[in-house]
Amino acid sequence: DIHMTQSPSSQSASVGDRVTITCRASRNIDNFLNWYQQKPGKAPKLLIYATSSLQSGVPSRFSGGGSGTDFTLTISSLQPEDFATYYCQQSYGTPYTFGQGTNLEIK
Amino acid sequence: ELQLVESGGGLVQPGGSLRLSCAASGFTVSSHSMNWVRQAPGKGLEWVSYISGSGTTIYYADSVKGRFTISRDNAKNSVYLQMNSLRDEDTAVYYCASRVGVTTGVDYWGQGTLVTVSS
Repeated sequence: DIHMTQSPSSQSASVGDRVTITCRASRNIDNFLNWYQQKPGKAPKLLIYATSSLQSGVPSRFSGGGSGTDFTLTISSLQPEDFATYYCQQSYGTPYTFGQGTNLEIK
Repeated sequence: ELQLVESGGGLVQPGGSLRLSCAASGFTVSSHSMNWVRQAPGKGLEWVSYISGSGTTIYYADSVKGRFTISRDNAKNSVYLQMNSLRDEDTAVYYCASRVGVTTGVDYWGQGTLVTVSS
């Protein structure tokens, strides 16, 4: 199985901050890396697919990058609605494993 | 509007069975791959199972292989997850999710249904 490791597990930040979350795969997954946002009590929401493609309707302050085994999700200027938990997921091969999540909290 | 609605969750004793349903509207399940993803209380997301649009390709997580069965009824535009030999660690919110658009991810999710395995 491909193991996905996110860092940090939690982060405190302020509105307007630039934030970067990293995700590392245990082996090469090409660009089959997706990012989701989840708020308490809600289903996950797809933000970024194929490493860097922005899902329709997602604000342009979200961006993704990387390749192979190392990937990033960047929020250029945090907004109040961005405080949530973020998960990376590889869709290179089954099982389609998720990272453990990054909880983004208000400082 | 594209929508997925899960049902069938509830309280079941260890060793028991439960069948989850996922009804789709706004698109046809036979044209898109479908997944079940679960989330234990206070924990992260765990992918559980996948069925291709054609239904010919099915995958399971090792943690449920041999106990869970994914299936689809095109006439009812629904997907199911039959869960047998349930364990305490299967307690979770179960989400039905589909890849509808041109994406490598899962772009449509249901609201989730809670399964509690406890004596």
